[in-house]
Amino acid sequence: GAVVSQHPSWVICKSGTSVKIECRSLDFQATTMFWYRQFPKQSLMLMATSNEGSKATYEQGVEKDKFLINHASLTLSTLTVTSAHPEDSSFYICSARDTGGREPSDTQYFGPGTRLTVL
Amino acid sequence: QKEVEQDPGPLSVPEGAIVSLNCTYSNSAFQYFMWYRQYSRKGPELLMYTYSSGNKEDGRFTAQVDKSSKYISLFIRDSQPSDSATYLCAMTLSGGYNKLIFGAGTRLAVHP
Repeated sequence: GAVVSQHPSWVICKSGTSVKIECRSLDFQATTMFWYRQFPKQSLMLMATSNEGSKATYEQGVEKDKFLINHASLTLSTLTVTSAHPEDSSFYICSARDTGGREPSDTQYFGPGTRLTVL
Repeated sequence: QKEVEQDPGPLSVPEGAIVSLNCTYSNSAFQYFMWYRQYSRKGPELLMYTYSSGNKEDGRFTAQVDKSSKYISLFIRDSQPSDSATYLCAMTLSGGYNKLIFGAGTRLAVHP
């Protein structure tokens, strides 16, 4: 099956620092990747859609200057949480759409998630 | 009204039971329906996907879509403790490159 990895799996940082999370599609190319956040016992909330070689599209209410997204290649997208604060503590999950034809193009494959704790 | 409604549960069943998980939706343009399983502190895992109305079976799992009622279901036969997880329905418009709309997720516990 299609595999998506995330790194790191968890991170603890001090308030005011920046944290970068990587999302990689390991065995397929992904023109489009998505970034979600999830609070405990809640569903996934889409933050932004990341397209290779172009600017990300952010959902309403998501600060693009705080959550910087870069999709520099067909297998890698990064999310940088800038000047993190305790309220940014959450579970961040990426997904990638397989554009290689293995599944219908709407299928998203999810990474294992990154747990961010801001002290 | 949310676009996708899903009972959050929790749903607790004995091992071996048949489990029925359901979602309703309001947008009749949705064409592509998925079920994801998410274990605690893990990313969602794709279980089933279906196009339009009808049934699809994969092992112990059956996905059912009724577009006339805007209602989708996931049935789990012979449930196992390892099936204990949160099940998320998701759907999207056809044509590719559309974002998924998720239900809230139903927490399932299968006890021995």
